[in-house]
Amino acid sequence: DIQMIQSPSTLSASVGDRVTITCRASQSVGSLLAWYQQKPGKAPNLLIYKASSLQNGVPSRFSGSGSGTDFTLTISGLQPDDFATYYCQQYHTYYTFGQGTKLEIK
Amino acid sequence: QVQLQESGSALVRPSQTLSLTCSVSGGSIGSGHFYWSWIRQSPGKGLEWMGYIHDSGSTYFNPTLQSRITISVDTSKNHFSLKLNSVTAADTAVYYCASTSSVVVTGMTFDLWGRGSQVTVSS
Repeated sequence: DIQMIQSPSTLSASVGDRVTITCRASQSVGSLLAWYQQKPGKAPNLLIYKASSLQNGVPSRFSGSGSGTDFTLTISGLQPDDFATYYCQQYHTYYTFGQGTKLEIK
Repeated sequence: QVQLQESGSALVRPSQTLSLTCSVSGGSIGSGHFYWSWIRQSPGKGLEWMGYIHDSGSTYFNPTLQSRITISVDTSKNHFSLKLNSVTAADTAVYYCASTSSVVVTGMTFDLWGRGSQVTVSS
């Protein structure tokens, strides 16, 4: 199966910062990559699909890029509500998730 | 709008069968184009997609679970169900039901989730 590796595992940042999270696939997944946000005790919430398309209702400060094996999620102008754990998910060959990146307040 | 809610046993004995139900409100199972999935999350394995059933009744399972998993739909009760047999402590997790509503647009992503149900496997 396709392994998804995220980096870093933990990221410390301040409100207003621009942050980038990376996701690498063990083999090409084309553009079939999604990003989710999860807060403690809640289910994940879809942010981005097809590597760079913003899900309805998601703020435009979230953006995604990449194709093949290397992908990034960027948050421009961190808001207090953005401190959470982020996961990538590939849907090229069934469906697997990265291990998560916890974004914490510096 | 569509909402999902899991229910079922919170404690399951080893070697027994885990059973969960996902009740769907605000929409109808079998309407034609939804995929209904089960996804679990544990500290050891992270998020793991388990399988789905499509509105057509077709199913697709994670190969690592295929021998132990059943997903079914009851359209009269507007819910879908998960059965996982021969459970061990490794099956302890939060179990989520989730749906994919616009696969043509978003691909096989999960755009709606239930709140999750903690299941512990222990004697």
